[in-house]
Amino acid sequence: EVRLLESGGDLVQPGGSLRLSCAASGFPLSSYAVNWVRQAPGKGLEWVSSFSTDGRTYYSDSVNGRFTIFRDNSKNTVSLEMNSLTAEDTAIYFCTRGRRPVAGRGPKYYYDFWGQGTLVTVSS
Amino acid sequence: EIVLTQSPGTLSVSPGERATLSCRANESVSSSYLAWYQQRPGQAPRLLISGASLRATGIPDRFSGSGSGTDFTLTIGRLEPEDFAVYYCQQCGASPPTFGQGTKLEIK
Repeated sequence: EVRLLESGGDLVQPGGSLRLSCAASGFPLSSYAVNWVRQAPGKGLEWVSSFSTDGRTYYSDSVNGRFTIFRDNSKNTVSLEMNSLTAEDTAIYFCTRGRRPVAGRGPKYYYDFWGQGTLVTVSS
Repeated sequence: EIVLTQSPGTLSVSPGERATLSCRANESVSSSYLAWYQQRPGQAPRLLISGASLRATGIPDRFSGSGSGTDFTLTIGRLEPEDFAVYYCQQCGASPPTFGQGTKLEIK
């Protein structure tokens, strides 16, 4: 059974940092892309970052330069290091497994499995 | 970036009836790259449809997707109580991948 379990969400002050982790089970992490998608309170879904099977990383413009995504194959986890956080980063962060409809490059994935999410609140 | 506009924002339908949800893109999207998700209150989204019309594993056949180019449709036939939720379309053919703002399907 495919499972994704996020952790690390917390209350953090503006300008602070936080690391989220996604523990994957039921599939080989190295064979699939893993992505972070967030949802601000009462709002819609927003793609944040992707880690592809070839090790390439992708970021939305809103987090590029502040967030870093990385993978630890030995632990079967993908993590998101978040720096210089602002109130606009407040959201539930979902870890998702990505699938490419067509072979290629770039964060061109749809998401066939989702974790339950972890809440990040940026507030003083 | 590609902007997806979903309509209506809220749709009120009675159980047992059919619901039709629309997703319109501001530029053409290959059908291969159009997906639909369902999000029930307090839950994570769930993949319903990929490739505009391919049901994901375990999704009932009352859910169907169609469309091409800039206009896509999700149809839910014979609504069950568990179908009342928020539905999102997503395109992943261009970077960044983007979602529509969602359609809330509520009980009439």
